[in-house]
Amino acid sequence: EAGVAQSPRYKIIEKRQSVAFWCNPISGHATLYWYQQILGQGPKLLIQFQNNGVVDDSQLPKDRFSAERLKGVDSTLKIQPAKLEDSAVYLCASSQELTSGSEETQYFGPGTRLLVL
Amino acid sequence: AQSVTQLGSHVSVSEGALVLLRCNYSSSVPPYLFWYVQYPNQGLQLLLKYTSAATLVKGINGFEAEFKKSETSFHLTKPSAHMRDAAEYFCAVRTIYNQGGKLIFGQGTELSVKP
Repeated sequence: EAGVAQSPRYKIIEKRQSVAFWCNPISGHATLYWYQQILGQGPKLLIQFQNNGVVDDSQLPKDRFSAERLKGVDSTLKIQPAKLEDSAVYLCASSQELTSGSEETQYFGPGTRLLVL
Repeated sequence: AQSVTQLGSHVSVSEGALVLLRCNYSSSVPPYLFWYVQYPNQGLQLLLKYTSAATLVKGINGFEAEFKKSETSFHLTKPSAHMRDAAEYFCAVRTIYNQGGKLIFGQGTELSVKP
């Protein structure tokens, strides 16, 4: 079974530029998550999709970050314009459809390491 | 609100020694708890999870963790450390469904293994 795919693996940009990350979840997984992992910290959820609908985007800085999951499969996360503090690893994860009391495991991709100069 | 605290940002052990990584959680409802491992430049890999069945959970690579409700703890152990165990370890608690079921992570513990 193929895992969660992410690209690019690394990206270096200057502040105020824009950047986009792509994620392809495990086939059949209805739930997709984007996490931000700042150096020395645990991952923090940015946005969660169930199929192509947003479940939770309470921690997404909506003035500069956007995400979409057209057709309920792959997803893109965009930052425009980027700030120095956006330097982090952006992790995508997926799980089977979330239901009440679900113990579904989240499977993580390798991440995209972003450096903003 | 649920939260996780990992005691010690860095733990160093000798090869063959016991590994003990500490995790305490806060949750108003019975939690689902997870341990993930992250090797350099890689994503997170699930080691084990507690889902209200057996309180002693066995995972991959010889790791296990014990859920202790009275202590609100879910410490990770391994009897004998290997060099390949050197990595970052994250404890996480899962929110209940009507909060989206997202994972709340601790800040991580870096494990070093000395030869």
